[in-house]
Amino acid sequence: DSGVTQTPKHLITATGQRVTLRCSPRSGDLSVYWYQQSLDQGLQFLIQYYNGEERAKGNILERFSAQQFPDLHSELNLSSLELGDSALYFCASSVGGSGQPQHFGDGTRLSIL
Amino acid sequence: GEDVEQSLFLSVREGDSSVINCTYTDSSSTYLYWYKQEPGAGLQLLTYIFSNMDMKQDQRLTVLLNKKDKHLSLRIADTQTGDSAIYFCAESTPNNAGNMLTFGGGTRLMVKP
Repeated sequence: DSGVTQTPKHLITATGQRVTLRCSPRSGDLSVYWYQQSLDQGLQFLIQYYNGEERAKGNILERFSAQQFPDLHSELNLSSLELGDSALYFCASSVGGSGQPQHFGDGTRLSIL
Repeated sequence: GEDVEQSLFLSVREGDSSVINCTYTDSSSTYLYWYKQEPGAGLQLLTYIFSNMDMKQDQRLTVLLNKKDKHLSLRIADTQTGDSAIYFCAESTPNNAGNMLTFGGGTRLMVKP
């Protein structure tokens, strides 16, 4: 058990809809990262937050947004969903600071019908 | 941009050693990581190495880093059937508060009894 909790484990929805994925980091970790894993793109970094502030952005679509709350949990919001958004979405956390390893949750599997 | 390459597949017999290779392009990488993903599961951090090190050993795992050739390898001694999984190499791009990871495509390790 990595200590990173993601909910829900599975999500099935339709095109055009909006969903929210939730992540609770390991106790004491200030950084939260979101990654997308798909068959065609592999594992791609989406966005990072550190102590409530956005720190780095990767290949995140404009339809997607995230935030980190004062209690350090994070949410990833995906809107106007398309079939291609079907993927496994991972959250990771680290203490923060260069070199700190990231510990991953079990992911949320999103299926768009 | 950064690029991380891995071979797709490796098959070994139980009890043999496995060597999984990875090459990366970003010379500013500070840390390099190995993660394991079992079917339907998240990413488990196996080990990581700082770029000023050549080797790191952790029980059955040995990581070798050739910084000049930008080549990283993971050796698993006495490979067991439970080691069957996908192994991901990742490199970090440092920023003020953490490191976003760039992943390779993963190497599927199959261990035959």
